Amino acid sequence: SQKIEQNSEALNIQEGKTATLTCNYTNYSPAYLQWYRQDPGRGPVFLLLIRENEKEKRKERLKVTFDTTLKQSLFHITASQPADSATYLCALPNNAGNMLTFGGGTRLMVKP
Amino acid sequence: KAGVTQTPRYLIKTRGQQVTLSCSPISGHRSVSWYQQTPGQGLQFLFEYFSETQRNKGNFPGRFSGRQFSNSRSEMNVSTLELGDSALYLCASSLASRIEETQYFGPGTRLLVL
Repeated sequence: SQKIEQNSEALNIQEGKTATLTCNYTNYSPAYLQWYRQDPGRGPVFLLLIRENEKEKRKERLKVTFDTTLKQSLFHITASQPADSATYLCALPNNAGNMLTFGGGTRLMVKP
Repeated sequence: KAGVTQTPRYLIKTRGQQVTLSCSPISGHRSVSWYQQTPGQGLQFLFEYFSETQRNKGNFPGRFSGRQFSNSRSEMNVSTLELGDSALYLCASSLASRIEETQYFGPGTRLLVL
């Protein structure tokens, strides 16, 4: 089965800097990968989907890359703000493509 | 459009009891998925319903079951509760039948088993 690794340690950065979060996976390469944001006590909120044939995708201050050779996705938040503080989860479909597997998430703390 | 709603938001049960959780998807969404989230295991897929049929199932024991009604509302049941069932139970709805469709999560039901 697919293993997804996200840095379990919190990432602390200063406001205005770029935050970079990593999602590594093993085994097969998925057809796509999703990123979600989760605030304490709330359900995850979908942010971006990137397909295997897309190297990079952007949405406002967010940028996601997908390297199928390295089996890695990077999630960037530029000009970070304290309001960006949350846990960020990556999710991939399983081999059969009929369910999503989530990483453990990385907690981002942006300090003013 | 109203978002995904889940009831109740918080629940305390004792071992051996059973519990039923409810999820109302976004209007027009026909797919409902259920997840269990714990600090140790993270977010894990339980099952997915589409048009009242369970289409996919995760690796959970048979004590976990669910159903979906004709209006797409879904319920999840856990029988013979164990301490390890304490978790945040999330449901997510999506418009169509493909898993890559954006999933919209509800706020979750926090279950504590004593």
